Amino acid sequence: GENVEQHPSTLSVQEGDSAVIKCTYSDSASNYFPWYKQELGKGPQLIIDIRSNVGEKKDQRIAVTLNKTAKHFSLHITETQPEDSAVYFCAASAYSGAGSYQLTFGKGTKLSVIP
Amino acid sequence: NAGVTQTPKFRVLKTGQSMTLLCAQDMNHEYMYWYRQDPGMGLRLIHYSVGEGTTAKGEVPDGYNVSRLKKQNFLLGLESAAPSQTSVYFCASRFGGVAKNIQYFGAGTRLSVL
Repeated sequence: GENVEQHPSTLSVQEGDSAVIKCTYSDSASNYFPWYKQELGKGPQLIIDIRSNVGEKKDQRIAVTLNKTAKHFSLHITETQPEDSAVYFCAASAYSGAGSYQLTFGKGTKLSVIP
Repeated sequence: NAGVTQTPKFRVLKTGQSMTLLCAQDMNHEYMYWYRQDPGMGLRLIHYSVGEGTTAKGEVPDGYNVSRLKKQNFLLGLESAAPSQTSVYFCASRFGGVAKNIQYFGAGTRLSVL
């Protein structure tokens, strides 16, 4: 099955600096890579995603890059703000048979933005 | 528009007790999922369903059962709770097919088994 590794597990940055979180995946058939943000006491919420036919995607201060050859993808947050503090999860999705697409999640990165 | 609703939000059980967690979605999604979240472990898939009346095992199914009698509801049951099942449980749902893989999550159920 798919295995997703995520680094770092914790990350502290000064407000206004950039933050980068990296993930690698093992299954070359994976074709969809979402990033979720989880605030304290809440469920994960999708913030950005990318498909395997695209190398980079941006949405305001966040961007995701994908290197299919190396099987890794990264989340970039620029001009970080205190409200960016949360746990971020990467995930990879591939068809697993019987009409099912499953997400395999990384173990998460706790991002702290210091004012 | 409620999205994905999980009940209860918190529960404390004694070892050996049983309970059912309810997940309800109002987005007419085909697929539904149950995950557990433990510190440092990320989200691990317990069971999932690709449509009404269907269920399948995920990565960590032992000790849990599920049912999907109605399209909008997905139930997770613990027949005989164990301390190892202390966790935060999340339900998620999505549309079927390839085009939109986005999973929408509920707010979670925090379960403690003593």
